Amino acid sequence: DAGVTQSPTHLIKTRGQQVTLRCSPKSGHDTVSWYQQALGQGPQFIFQYYEEEERQRGNFPDRFSGHQFPNYSSELNVNALLLGDSALYLCASTFGQGEGETQYFGPGTRLLVL
Amino acid sequence: AQSVTQPDIHITVSEGASLELRCNYSYGATPYLFWYVQSPGQGLQLLLKYFSGDTLVQGIKGFEAEFKRSQSSFNLRKPSVHWSDAAEYFCAVAPYNNNDMRFGAGTRLTVKP
Repeated sequence: DAGVTQSPTHLIKTRGQQVTLRCSPKSGHDTVSWYQQALGQGPQFIFQYYEEEERQRGNFPDRFSGHQFPNYSSELNVNALLLGDSALYLCASTFGQGEGETQYFGPGTRLLVL
Repeated sequence: AQSVTQPDIHITVSEGASLELRCNYSYGATPYLFWYVQSPGQGLQLLLKYFSGDTLVQGIKGFEAEFKRSQSSFNLRKPSVHWSDAAEYFCAVAPYNNNDMRFGAGTRLTVKP
């Protein structure tokens, strides 16, 4: 059973460009969350998708957008990249919000903006 | 607003010694509380979580944590540390299970032989 997978593993972009990161949730999971982890910091919640809708959003600008597909996979899009967007982007999946459910994280995509 | 503070940026312990990692949170009600571990090049792995009931929570890998409402704390403990426990540890708080989680800055654990 594959866990949460993310692609690509590494990415280099220049300021002003746009980037799309992809996530496949763990089998059976229907909820996907995205986090940004800057170097030396804890992850910061970007947003969560459930049933193809954004259910919750953290304190991130509209340059950060996402999508969830019918197969529950998800994309994170970042427009007009800034140097400060350089970070590890983590995807996490779970099944609903039941108290017994565990959230599983992927290995992340490391984005470098030059 | 909810927030998490991990006062210790870096802790070094000897193998076999006991461990306590501190976590303080700020939240209006009783939140969901989590401890995650992140090894180099690995994703975050859940060690344990608390949302209600017994305030002493048992997790994987021999870890436990105690929720103290009066101190707004959720400290992680392990009686005997193994070299493989060297990693970054994150405490997190959320209003719902697995949603809108706020993480602390992390505590890096080094284990001396």
